[in-house]
Amino acid sequence: QSVLTQPPSVSAAPGQKVTISCSGSSSNIGNNYVSWYQQLPGTAPKLLIYENNKRPSGIPDRFSGSKSGTSATLGITGLQTGDEADYYCGSWDSSLSGAVFGGGTKLTVL
Amino acid sequence: QVQLQESGPGLVKPSESLSLTCAVSGYSISSGYYWGWIRQPPGKGLEWIGSIFHSGSTYYNPSLKSRVTISVDTSKNQFSLKLSSVTAADTAVYYCARHTSGYDYFDPWGQGTLVPVSS
Repeated sequence: QSVLTQPPSVSAAPGQKVTISCSGSSSNIGNNYVSWYQQLPGTAPKLLIYENNKRPSGIPDRFSGSKSGTSATLGITGLQTGDEADYYCGSWDSSLSGAVFGGGTKLTVL
Repeated sequence: QVQLQESGPGLVKPSESLSLTCAVSGYSISSGYYWGWIRQPPGKGLEWIGSIFHSGSTYYNPSLKSRVTISVDTSKNQFSLKLSSVTAADTAVYYCARHTSGYDYFDPWGQGTLVPVSS
């Protein structure tokens, strides 16, 4: 029952590209920034994308973000086995006056 | 390099209060930013609890607001979380993180601390 909706899982082969969607509403994604986080097994989440499409220093350009209307997408190219992780989108919800997250998407690199 | 470290008791009994502290190094809390708490129940997703500015201004998750207090101690460069009347549903890994308000992303994060609620 997360405010932002993500697919529970996605999978792709090494070297391929995958996209993860994040759907919201006008009170969150539609009028606020989107961020993306990678959580490797047993570790804390790590910022991958901020302000819809910006990468912090140290994040490879294989990771990209985009936003259109009330949805956002995380793209990962050149998949590596080390990319297997849970990915979360986040935003601010102006109606709730709080930060909100998606339920998370488990990426499997086959 | 900004680093955050959570600390607190390893186990809390039902109906009691959960208290955690986040020590910040490499950056002065008084210099700006909001500072937040996020939790993750075992096997589940992330839930924002609340955030505080160095002045003491706070935002809380509406679903937890009646039980949550976040405070800041600029002299010790740390901020704290208190969650009252806990139940087993509050069992989670609790993370602290720097919150860039207005752009609303969290970075960096502490390593997290697991707080079981059990008698």
